[in-house]
Amino acid sequence: RKEVEQDPGPFNVPEGATVAFNCTYSNSASQSFFWYRQDCRKEPKLLMSVYSSGNEDGRFTAQLNRASQYISLLIRDSKLSDSATYLCAAAGGTSYGKLTFGQGTILTVHP
Amino acid sequence: DADVTQTPRNRITKTGKRIMLECSQTKGHDRMYWYRQDPGLGLRLIYYSFDVKDINKGEISDGYSVSRQAQAKFSLSLESAIPNQTALYFCATSDFVDTQYFGPGTRLTVL
Repeated sequence: RKEVEQDPGPFNVPEGATVAFNCTYSNSASQSFFWYRQDCRKEPKLLMSVYSSGNEDGRFTAQLNRASQYISLLIRDSKLSDSATYLCAAAGGTSYGKLTFGQGTILTVHP
Repeated sequence: DADVTQTPRNRITKTGKRIMLECSQTKGHDRMYWYRQDPGLGLRLIYYSFDVKDINKGEISDGYSVSRQAQAKFSLSLESAIPNQTALYFCATSDFVDTQYFGPGTRLTVL
């Protein structure tokens, strides 16, 4: 089993829709979690950090469920510009100083 | 100017050639990382360094070597390139809170 797993999608949603991605992690010692956005052939860019139960930034909400070992990313009122690959990552515990990434979830927002 | 730079941005080489990818950062971070990204496999850690005197193997270090010339510079070498090393390579830096910042990537093709 991969240490961090994501549904690769693709998710195809219309503009204005709400979409949610889940990411599960197997290392119960992981302490911090991240969502990155990656546009095609570009570098990943940090979207949100999650250290406790959750985080919110505008249309984006990340939630952490330690009991079930997953983090989620909710995007409200999707925009065409939200089309990208979303990577989740886990750090800490036995992976001190390192991030373990999921394989990414592809989102396409259409008119 | 970009905080994390990589050179070259694109490289085509032949099997058996020695290749060096370079990474420089102006963020003042001690930690630096090298990843490769392949379609459907996400980001995989090759090597990482927590300071100039510290080098550690990552998940997929075979066939690669690194050099940390200074706090700001971390180079990745392929001593004898092979076709399955064709990938997108990213350098990243982080401070002590685990958030990583990525360079623009190097697209390497080994023929």
